[in-house]
Amino acid sequence: DARVTQTPRDKVTEMGQEVTMRCQPILGHNTVFWYRQTMMQGLELLAYFRNRAPLDDSGMPKDRFSAEMPDATLATLKIQPSEPRDSAVYFCASGLVRDGTSGLETQYFGPGTRLLVL
Amino acid sequence: TQLLEQSPQFLSIQEGENLTVYCNSSSVFSSLQWYRQEPGEGPVLLVTVVTGGEVKKLKRLTFQFGDARKDSSLHITAAQPGDTGLYLCACNNYGQNFVFGPGTRLSVLP
Repeated sequence: DARVTQTPRDKVTEMGQEVTMRCQPILGHNTVFWYRQTMMQGLELLAYFRNRAPLDDSGMPKDRFSAEMPDATLATLKIQPSEPRDSAVYFCASGLVRDGTSGLETQYFGPGTRLLVL
Repeated sequence: TQLLEQSPQFLSIQEGENLTVYCNSSSVFSSLQWYRQEPGEGPVLLVTVVTGGEVKKLKRLTFQFGDARKDSSLHITAAQPGDTGLYLCACNNYGQNFVFGPGTRLSVLP
């Protein structure tokens, strides 16, 4: 049963510290998304990758957030320095876009990383 | 930017009742998805639709999509406590990603 995995599941840190979240997409998926979910804003898209290349990171605060895919089995989201307003649940999702099709068929979400910045 | 509205925002009902929740888009979408999210978990896909006017059923859940491809509804028959969760709709406008609505938080009381 293939699924997206995320680590850590929970993270508590102090303001100013660096936070790194990791995601392992489903094997064979070529698209990876990072979302942030809060009660106030709902589910927001931060960035996404196709074949490891960043396609859109307009939803991400560039001054402190960075997203990378070192290889096809790992995506990372880093916050440096972290702030209390970054407290949220961060989800990774992966999906497949087939050659010659109109776009993404569906996406599968990981369990999320719950981040609390004090 | 495509925006989605969902209503109601919150819904609390008794086990056995029927309910309908709605999703409305500011513009036409090429495909739409409904997800259910339980506490502490990521959203799980329930259904995807691409055809205006389409009706899909998943056990006690009936998904209907507007002819104009700008709105959708989810009807649950004889709700059960296991249906409790956050119901999210997400639309795609021939793009490469989905935009999510704010969700309807459903609570089914035993």
